[in-house]
Amino acid sequence: DAKTTQPNSMESNEEEPVHLPCNHSTISGTDYIHWYRQLPSQGPEYVIHGLTSNVNNRMASLAIAEDRKSSTLILHRATLRDAAVYYCILVTSGTYKYIFGTGTRLKVLA
Amino acid sequence: GAGVSQTPSNKVTEKGKYVELRCDPISGHTALYWYRQSLGQGPEFLIYFQGTGAADDSGLPNDRFFAVRPEGSVSTLKIQRTERGDSAVYLCASSFFSGSTHEQFFGPGTRLTVL
Repeated sequence: DAKTTQPNSMESNEEEPVHLPCNHSTISGTDYIHWYRQLPSQGPEYVIHGLTSNVNNRMASLAIAEDRKSSTLILHRATLRDAAVYYCILVTSGTYKYIFGTGTRLKVLA
Repeated sequence: GAGVSQTPSNKVTEKGKYVELRCDPISGHTALYWYRQSLGQGPEFLIYFQGTGAADDSGLPNDRFFAVRPEGSVSTLKIQRTERGDSAVYLCASSFFSGSTHEQFFGPGTRLTVL
């Protein structure tokens, strides 16, 4: 399974954009990039996923590098409720198994 | 609508005892997954059900761990002869279908403490 590398922690000020990076240099052509986040004392929740093109939804945007070896999750205006651990996961097409790393712990400062 | 629920939310047991952890998936979801999360780590895959059958149990650490889903809905994770190293949060997730584009919905987890 292809692996991802994320910074252990990041900080952001409230109401400012946040860019959470993820490196996945061994990604294969059939790997989807998924992002989940885990708020304190909760299970992970889906944020966004993509394959090749950039993606937007109500929660965030996903920017995927042209060579697909890295991606960035963008929170447009961080709120205190966005403080969580963010996981970048590669999921091979046709499979279901999520291999979580240790993620990035995002701290949002008021 | 109702999300994935797990019971109990907390379970404290003694070394050597047997425990059962229950997961109620979202109604209509055919795929169900169990994960285990140790402190400071990401969730670790244990087992995947498609319907009633365990399609992939490659993540179960040893034969003390077993899971069932007899009617294709509720699932129970069973741990025999618990050890202190089994202490973790056990997470259940479900999805409408399995696959790389299908979101998994996670429950809040059961925190298991083995004394």
